Amino acid sequence: NAGVTQTPKFQVLKTGQSMTLQCAQDMNHEYMSWYRQDPGMGLRLIHYSVGAGITDQGEVPNGYNVSRSTTEDFPLRLLSAAPSQTSVYFCATSYSQRRQPQHFGDGTRLSIL
Amino acid sequence: AQKITQTQPGMFVQEKEAVTLDCTYDTSDPSYGLFWYKQPSSGEMIFLIYQGSYDQQNATEGRYSLNFQKARKSANLVISASQLGDSAMYFCAMREGRGTGNQFYFGTGTSLTVIP
Repeated sequence: NAGVTQTPKFQVLKTGQSMTLQCAQDMNHEYMSWYRQDPGMGLRLIHYSVGAGITDQGEVPNGYNVSRSTTEDFPLRLLSAAPSQTSVYFCATSYSQRRQPQHFGDGTRLSIL
Repeated sequence: AQKITQTQPGMFVQEKEAVTLDCTYDTSDPSYGLFWYKQPSSGEMIFLIYQGSYDQQNATEGRYSLNFQKARKSANLVISASQLGDSAMYFCAMREGRGTGNQFYFGTGTSLTVIP
């Protein structure tokens, strides 16, 4: 049982490049989300999804796209990387009920030069 | 307004002593859940404890307990008998029962250092 799998673990990009961070889960969770973590700012929600075909914006969506074509996968796309997007990115999943905690992936450390 | 406020950027505690990490929240939803997560220096996020808004008793999980004061909208984490391995960042989070997508809101975290 893999839980939440994020790839890659580390990535260095040049300004203007695009890339996709992958998130896959095998727990049949309806809810999936992406956060970025920056020093002193906690976790900020980028985008989330409550089920296949449904996505919505979080607190800091600009510069990122998501899609949810299956229950298992929720990729995060950086369209044109900027140094301000240097951060640690976490994917988290859960059942939709309010009692259910999120399960986190191990994170992707992304540097934009 | 911030949904979750953690006012202690850093805390120190002597090994074997208890420590309280503060968390206040803001919601008008009568149905919500409160969570605490631990993030050690290795970076993973570890779920510690949950408290529901309708729960009559304060939640406990081993050495972790949640001091839930609903009227004051506070959900403080109490760690008893601190161990060196408790040194980590701790995040408080809330999930509302209604509203947009049942999303989670996180605080900015408290860094706890346990001193031998």
